[in-house]
Amino acid sequence: GAVVSQHPSWVICKSGTSVKIECRSLDFQATTMFWYRQFPKQSLMLMATSNEGSKATYEQGVEKDKFLINHASLTLSTLTVTSAHPEDSSFYICSATGSWDTQYFGPGTRLTVL
Amino acid sequence: TQLLEQSPQFLSIQEGENLTVYCNSSSVFSSLQWYRQEPGEGPVLLVTVVTGGEVKKLKRLTFQFGDARKDSSLHITAAQPGDTGLYLCAGATGTASKLTFGTGTRLQVTL
Repeated sequence: GAVVSQHPSWVICKSGTSVKIECRSLDFQATTMFWYRQFPKQSLMLMATSNEGSKATYEQGVEKDKFLINHASLTLSTLTVTSAHPEDSSFYICSATGSWDTQYFGPGTRLTVL
Repeated sequence: TQLLEQSPQFLSIQEGENLTVYCNSSSVFSSLQWYRQEPGEGPVLLVTVVTGGEVKKLKRLTFQFGDARKDSSLHITAAQPGDTGLYLCAGATGTASKLTFGTGTRLQVTL
């Protein structure tokens, strides 16, 4: 149990375009989902926390207008990178929690912006 | 800002050796988790420690939470190539389940 999926697993896009990444909890209802970014050889950095049906809470330094997060249902959250630039290239990972505090992580999405 | 410093940053050892990874902070955490991450994948939870002084064992892995709940260690006995990966500690505060990740320790175990 407690499986989290992400789609796509990797994406390559041109600079200036927008990219949407989906995060789904497959076998539980996720009251809270988290979005992280990880640069090569570095740790995970929390970008934002999203609760179903409410606006996401962004960490300091994360542009909310650039990284749009929607958590419309208890099993789906989306992260849209708007007007992507090469510096947005990274490994994006989501996690989800249910009625417990443990976070279960998705497999990640590698974004490459040309 | 809560910081979790891990040491060492990188460790390359031979199969059969023992090692310890440390995770230190000046902040108190309600719980601390250890994850292992392989390239191109998400982190996989190894253990959660909650009580100060708690020791948990998972086969060849031994995890300890400091008495003051500010630090933790991971000890691996007789390391195997399958233990290779990025080890991350992560601290939680309160009941919000928000995690602060450590700086990471990259372990490489060779034959």
